[in-house]
Amino acid sequence: GESVGLHLPTLSVQEGDNSIINCAYSNSASDYFIWYKQESGKGPQFIIDIRSNMDKRQGQRVTVLLNKTVKHLSLQIAATQPGDSAVYFCAESTVSNFGNEKLTFGTGTRLTIIP
Amino acid sequence: EADIYQTPRYLVIGTGKKITLECSQTMGHDKMYWYQQDPGMELHLIHYSYGVNSTEKGDLSSESTVSRIRTEHFPLTLESARPSHTSQYLCASSERWETKNIQYFGAGTRLSVL
Repeated sequence: GESVGLHLPTLSVQEGDNSIINCAYSNSASDYFIWYKQESGKGPQFIIDIRSNMDKRQGQRVTVLLNKTVKHLSLQIAATQPGDSAVYFCAESTVSNFGNEKLTFGTGTRLTIIP
Repeated sequence: EADIYQTPRYLVIGTGKKITLECSQTMGHDKMYWYQQDPGMELHLIHYSYGVNSTEKGDLSSESTVSRIRTEHFPLTLESARPSHTSQYLCASSERWETKNIQYFGAGTRLSVL
């Protein structure tokens, strides 16, 4: 079946450096991807999304790259801050048997920013 | 900021008790979802609803049940809680716009069954 998985479960980055979080997906029919940030004790928070007709999208300090050839997604965070410490999830949008969209989430990567 | 609320935030109960986890959203979203998440792990969809009187089971089998009598309210019920139900339960809502399906999450209910 379809799955969304992350390459690394944990990542530590020095404050001020850039970080890259990777995600692999297996469903080549997925047409929409989202990155979420989940801080301790909170629900996932939307960061940035990208459609399959794009290969790059930029937000404030974050960039998402999509490589459909190898079914790979990455989240780049520039000039990391202590507040970036969290678990990051990628999610893909697939059409269910009922013709409605649902999200499939990956395992998550815990990002720790070292002061 | 998403307006979706879950109560209680934390719940510790004994085995065999009936519980209801509340979820409400004020955004008028038609679609609502319940996920189960163990600490640091991925989210597993257990129930979803695409509108009033519409509910479906998700990918992960769950002994819980849901109802959707009002658009803004999507409660989850466990008739007889067991230790295996210990987990975090996250509620979300979304409204499709063009090809986007951003789900907005509540803060979650952390359930411990003794």
